[in-house]
Amino acid sequence: QKEVEQDPGPLSVPEGAIVSLNCTYSNSAFQYFMWYRQYSRKGPELLMYTYSSGNKEDGRFTAQVDKSSKYISLFIRDSQPSDSATYLCAMVEETSGSRLTFGEGTQLTVNP
Amino acid sequence: DGGITQSPKYLFRKEGQNVTLSCEQNLNHDAMYWYRQDPGQGLRLIYYSQIVNDFQKGDIAEGYSVSREKKESFPLTVTSAQKNPTAFYLCASHLDRGNTGELFFGEGSRLTVL
Repeated sequence: QKEVEQDPGPLSVPEGAIVSLNCTYSNSAFQYFMWYRQYSRKGPELLMYTYSSGNKEDGRFTAQVDKSSKYISLFIRDSQPSDSATYLCAMVEETSGSRLTFGEGTQLTVNP
Repeated sequence: DGGITQSPKYLFRKEGQNVTLSCEQNLNHDAMYWYRQDPGQGLRLIYYSQIVNDFQKGDIAEGYSVSREKKESFPLTVTSAQKNPTAFYLCASHLDRGNTGELFFGEGSRLTVL
């Protein structure tokens, strides 16, 4: 069983829709949780970074962590065609430095 | 502009040949990483280095080798022992002082074995 599970999609939504991307994990030692966005043929870039359970908001993006359920989510409000990308969840144990464990990535297309 | 530069962007190799992928960073970051990305498998760690002249194997190191002679440079050699080398390779770096998990990635090198 993989330590981090992420639905690979693909996910296709109309412009303006609310998008929900999710990951589950099995390692209770994971303490830091991240979402990376990767455009086609590019390297990933950090989008959101959270530590504690709860919600963190940044513009149209909200990252949610539920450590008790080992479940993290990324919500995108008012989605735009420019949001079309692959979204990767990642997580790391506090003692592992930056040796991240990534999900498979979910490919999102926002249609105008 | 600070960042990570990977080269070449695209590379073709015949079976049995070794190939070296370049990764250079001018961010003054301590740690550097090599990941492999395949469809449906996310990013898998090949090797990482936290200081010069030291590096550790990741989850899929077999068939790969690295060196870290300078802080700015972390080249990856894909050897003929790697059974399935066709993939997208990503180099990343991290300051290694706070902000655990915040990696900066290069634009990747796509290797195709013919």
